Amino acid sequence: KAGVTQTPRYLIKTRGQQVTLSCSPISGHRSVSWYQQTPGQGLQFLFEYFSETQRNKGNFPGRFSGRQFSNSRSEMNVSTLELGDSALYLCASSLGSGSTTQETQYFGPGTRLLVL
Amino acid sequence: AQTVTQSQPEMSVQEAETVTLSCTYDTSESDYYLFWYKQPPSRQMILVIRQEAYKQQNATENRFSVNFQKAAKSFSLKISDSQLGDAAMYFCAYRETSGSRLTFGEGTQLTVNP
Repeated sequence: KAGVTQTPRYLIKTRGQQVTLSCSPISGHRSVSWYQQTPGQGLQFLFEYFSETQRNKGNFPGRFSGRQFSNSRSEMNVSTLELGDSALYLCASSLGSGSTTQETQYFGPGTRLLVL
Repeated sequence: AQTVTQSQPEMSVQEAETVTLSCTYDTSESDYYLFWYKQPPSRQMILVIRQEAYKQQNATENRFSVNFQKAAKSFSLKISDSQLGDAAMYFCAYRETSGSRLTFGEGTQLTVNP
């Protein structure tokens, strides 16, 4: 079974631009979560999507948004990029049923975003 | 809000020896899940081991085991017979029983010396 895939792997943007990152979950997984990883703030939760609906949201400004499609693939969008948005963006997928006690998140390789 | 603390920014171990990484957390919940993930230089997050809070028995996965002390809110990872491939950043993570949100610690960089 293929793992979580993220595209693109690397991205360079300039301040003020917007960017869209994509995540394809493991087949059968319906939940996709996004995390931002920076040296200063560590790993921080952005949001989670399940069945095309945002189910949980972290403390990030409205410039960060996402969506999920009917095939469970998810996109994350950052508008009006700032230098501080430079980070590794990780997505993780899980079954998402919520009632499964053994549920575990599996991570993709990440997208490294550099904002100049 | 839940918090996870890893007090050891860096640790080192000799190949074939044993090392223990520490993690403490704060929560008012009685049921939750705890995880250890490793992140090698490739930056791919890999699940090492997980523990359900309602289980008193400590989880074990081959050379990896945990010491889960629920009352003390402590969750340490023991790596036995350390191998060069174990070198990575290790993250302790907490998850509530509802939803998929993980709260991570700051990480511990493990070096394995030959």
